[in-house]
Amino acid sequence: EVQVVESGGGLVQPGGSLRLTCAASGFIVSSSYMSWVRQAPGKGLEWVSIIYSGGSTYYADSVKGRFTISRDNSKNTLYLQMNSLRAEDTAVYYCARNGVGDSFDIWGQGTTVTVSP
Amino acid sequence: DIQMTQSPSSLSAAVGDRVTITCRASQSISTSLNWYQQKPGIAPKLLIYAASSLQSGVPSRFSGSGSGTDFTLTISSLQPEDFATYYCQQSYNVPYTFGQGTKVKIK
Repeated sequence: EVQVVESGGGLVQPGGSLRLTCAASGFIVSSSYMSWVRQAPGKGLEWVSIIYSGGSTYYADSVKGRFTISRDNSKNTLYLQMNSLRAEDTAVYYCARNGVGDSFDIWGQGTTVTVSP
Repeated sequence: DIQMTQSPSSLSAAVGDRVTITCRASQSISTSLNWYQQKPGIAPKLLIYAASSLQSGVPSRFSGSGSGTDFTLTISSLQPEDFATYYCQQSYNVPYTFGQGTKVKIK
């Protein structure tokens, strides 16, 4: 079965760090485009970052310089390292595969990040 | 960045109704437009990609159309399981952006 499973969310103080993990099965992460998308409580969807199969990475302006997307090919796993966290980073973070036309065709269940004193 | 604007923000409809949601891009995005359905507490689900292609497993009552800046998602006969929030998303360029969502409620 093609799926992704996120983990690593939790409660962190402002200025702190957290690393999210997305374990994939049924497809190869390194051959795919992979993204992180987040959703603040009661709000809409916001794209956060993408890593292309060639390794290039891009970020939303709101997280640039603070978040880093990466992958471990041997573990078929995607990561999001989040530093200098702010209250406005509080959200459910989804890992998603970019499918045809760069649509997000496979989503995980999400992992919740709460940034609060 | 490309801005995506959906209308309406919410609507009330009855089972069996035909429902149309529109999405407008701030610049031309060709057919790089995708539609998602999201129910509370659950990850979004891809319905339509490339403006009009139905994702595998999605019922045929869902359809999409449009190109350039104006797009439409149509549900031909609303079913009880279709009450949800719908989002459009442009994949023309990074940063990918979503519409603000349209909540479809029971009349």
